[in-house]
Amino acid sequence: DAGITQSPRHKVTETGTPVTLRCHQTENHRYMYWYRQDPGHGLRLIHYSYGVKDTDKGEVSDGYSVSRSKTEDFLLTLESATSSQTSVYFCAISELPTDTQYFGPGTRLTVL
Amino acid sequence: SQELEQSPQSLIVQEGKNLTINCTSSKTLYGLYWYKQKYGEGLIFLMMLQKGGEEKSHEKITAKLDEKKQQSSLHITASQPSHAGIYLCGADGAGGYQKVTFGIGTKLQVIP
Repeated sequence: DAGITQSPRHKVTETGTPVTLRCHQTENHRYMYWYRQDPGHGLRLIHYSYGVKDTDKGEVSDGYSVSRSKTEDFLLTLESATSSQTSVYFCAISELPTDTQYFGPGTRLTVL
Repeated sequence: SQELEQSPQSLIVQEGKNLTINCTSSKTLYGLYWYKQKYGEGLIFLMMLQKGGEEKSHEKITAKLDEKKQQSSLHITASQPSHAGIYLCGADGAGGYQKVTFGIGTKLQVIP
């Protein structure tokens, strides 16, 4: 299994509070991705990173920001959480843009 | 943007029966991935298909890519309870970078 961990695994928070999710990899892969998974929508890309301090927006980036100060860590921040951001968040990694993506175990976030 | 439609959306089969899941793309397929997700867990990579007509097998699971039809099929032979879960297909976007589009998934239940 690819060495990908996500923390926290579960979080309940209130509307308007900031939330940061962490993805940590031990594979030294260059590319890292954040997705959200919702019923009826499948997986949708939020942001991705192609190197330290190099990030780009995905399909549903509004309300989210990311940072990558080290190869192994990719942080997803919800500056002011809203109920529409209640979802399961997955991190994924790949070495090259055309390589298979490997996924972390997910973080279940509930915004009340 | 590329869309992937999976059929059926859900499937209940008796243990030992064969089954097929389809994934149809709205655009040309450059690479097609199959993942399996168990409830509350992350995605497990099964197979990747890149060329038209390509067929790959892993244990009792076989995937094929029909480039002309812009479709892939996943076939499970002699299903077992361990095959239960959600099967997702994902497709590479064009343009030299990997922004994978995912289908909504097919939920499979195997009744002992």
